[in-house]
Amino acid sequence: GAVVSQHPSRVICKSGTSVKIECRSLDFQATTMFWYRQFPKQSLMLMATSNEGSKATYEQGVEKDKFLINHASLTLSTLTVTSAHPEDSSFYICSARGLAGGLPYNEQFFGPGTRLTVL
Amino acid sequence: RKEVEQDPGPFNVPEGATVAFNCTYSNSASQSFFWYRQDCRKEPKLLMSVYSSGNEDGRFTAQLNRASQYISLLIRDSKLSDSATYLCVVRLDRGSTLGRLYFGRGTQLTVWP
Repeated sequence: GAVVSQHPSRVICKSGTSVKIECRSLDFQATTMFWYRQFPKQSLMLMATSNEGSKATYEQGVEKDKFLINHASLTLSTLTVTSAHPEDSSFYICSARGLAGGLPYNEQFFGPGTRLTVL
Repeated sequence: RKEVEQDPGPFNVPEGATVAFNCTYSNSASQSFFWYRQDCRKEPKLLMSVYSSGNEDGRFTAQLNRASQYISLLIRDSKLSDSATYLCVVRLDRGSTLGRLYFGRGTQLTVWP
């Protein structure tokens, strides 16, 4: 149990285009989803926290108009990188936290990540 | 100051060696502590939680010193498959940061035959 998927696993796009990344909890309801970004040899940095049905809370320095987050259901959150530029190239990872099915409270389950390359 | 500090390494050890990683955290309100393992180009995976009394899981032993705000991970009898990056992670379980994880940048381990 507690499986989180991400799609796509890898995307290469041209500068200026928008890219949507999906994060799904497959066997539990995710009340909260987190979006992280990781640059090479760096730690995971939290970008935003998303609660189902409400607006995401963005970390300082993360542009909410550039990184659009939607968490419309208890099993799906999306991150859209708008007008992507080469400096947005990174490894984007989501995690999900749920309160169903006996899952440990507060434990986050990570998706496999999406590697974005902007040319 | 970063929430979690780790020596990035790399640590290069032969099979069978014992290796230890250290980590410090800055927020004394931190309540939960973990070691995660991350393989190249993969997501982090929970290795073990860290408890105040210290805890062991097979070849892995984790220790927590709240007074010094210091966490350690000891790996005994290293295997080739232990090669990975080990992430020190803390969680604040109160207030506006409820449930948020803070990651160290990781310590890279390579075990050679």
